[in-house]
Amino acid sequence: EPEVTQTPSHQVTQMGQEVILRCVPISNHLYFYWYRQILGQKVEFLVSFYNNEISEKSEIFDDQFSVERPDGSNFTLKIRSTKLEDSAMYFCASSPGTAGWDEQFFGPGTRLTVL
Amino acid sequence: AQSVTQLGSHVSVSEGALVLLRCNYSSSVPPYLFWYVQYPNQGLQLLLKYTSAATLVKGINGFEAEFKKSETSFHLTKPSAHMSDAAEYFCAVSPRPGGTSYGKLTFGQGTILTVHP
Repeated sequence: EPEVTQTPSHQVTQMGQEVILRCVPISNHLYFYWYRQILGQKVEFLVSFYNNEISEKSEIFDDQFSVERPDGSNFTLKIRSTKLEDSAMYFCASSPGTAGWDEQFFGPGTRLTVL
Repeated sequence: AQSVTQLGSHVSVSEGALVLLRCNYSSSVPPYLFWYVQYPNQGLQLLLKYTSAATLVKGINGFEAEFKKSETSFHLTKPSAHMSDAAEYFCAVSPRPGGTSYGKLTFGQGTILTVHP
């Protein structure tokens, strides 16, 4: 069964460093998302992406964050200069459409630890 | 803005007992409603969803949920818990067409279900 994959499973970085989190969505899906979950808090929407551009982004998704689909299969989230408060589990998701009721398929997550 | 509240961050039941996980939403228009489950070291997996057909929705693994507009609730139930049901469960909402943030999921804080032998 097709699934969303994410690498790495755990990333440790120093504050101020750049990190790139990678995701491979399901191949025929058109819509891509990043969510994050800070330990003990809710899963929060970060950004949605369609047709090679951002559809929507949350207040969290400031200029330090960027997304890219560089090669038609990978979908990446870059954090330019990490802060301690960026430590969280980051989930990638994809869906075949964005018809509200379309299921979003989630990857297993990347745990980012900023020291 | 939409929001979701899950009552009880931890629920513990005995194997064979009824499972009831509570979810209430806040929205000016009834949204689409979802329950996701997360097993350790795995991604979120869709259990079931409500999209305005039948108010009682059946999902995978014997779970079901009932949409009650008057109570703004979408509680998840399973008649008989199994050890393999131990996981974290998330309720989520997505706006209907015409609303803002179409397709964006807003999650509750999650409920960890523990099943005792």
